[in-house]
Amino acid sequence: DAGVTQSPTHLIKTRGQQVTLRCSPKSGHDTVSWYQQALGQGPQFIFQYYEEEERQRGNFPDRFSGHQFPNYSSELNVNALLLGDSALYLCASSLSPSGISTDTQYFGPGTRLTVL
Amino acid sequence: GDSVTQMEGPVTLSEEAFLTINCTYTATGYPSLFWYVQYPGEGLQLLLKATKADDKGSNKGFEATYRKETTSFHLEKGSVQVSDSAVYFCALSALNAGNNRKLIWGLGTSLAVNP
Repeated sequence: DAGVTQSPTHLIKTRGQQVTLRCSPKSGHDTVSWYQQALGQGPQFIFQYYEEEERQRGNFPDRFSGHQFPNYSSELNVNALLLGDSALYLCASSLSPSGISTDTQYFGPGTRLTVL
Repeated sequence: GDSVTQMEGPVTLSEEAFLTINCTYTATGYPSLFWYVQYPGEGLQLLLKATKADDKGSNKGFEATYRKETTSFHLEKGSVQVSDSAVYFCALSALNAGNNRKLIWGLGTSLAVNP
């Protein structure tokens, strides 16, 4: 049973650039959530996707956007990168039967983004 | 709003020592509670969970009991090993009016176990 996968594992960008991170959920899961984890901090919720729509969003600017595809995989896009966007970006998947999300989320290994 | 408070680290123990990491929460409704573990350089792994009052989650020798009266979910292990060295996160998940859930996280507690 494939778990949550993310790509790439590491990425280095410069300020002002744009980046796209990818996530494939655990088999059978239909909901994807994205988190940002700065060094030495806990994860911060960015947004969650279900049925190809953004379902809820944390306190992040519009520079952070996402997408979910019909196969439930997801992308996180960040425009106009800032030094402060350097972090580990985590994707988590869960199941939402009848549209009600279940509570257990399974995490991928993360993408380490460094902005220079 | 909902929040999670866990004890600050770092915690340093000798192998075979007893471990307690405190976690308390505030939430409206009836949240599910979780402990996640993050080993160096890796993502988050679910360690254990409890979904209702008095439930005990357990895994790999770790235990935590959902205490509604004290709004706590303290993590314990009777005898830690060097391989338990990691950062431990307490989290809660509550269902909002839109049938959405997100995880609310504590700041994490770093554990170092010395041989």
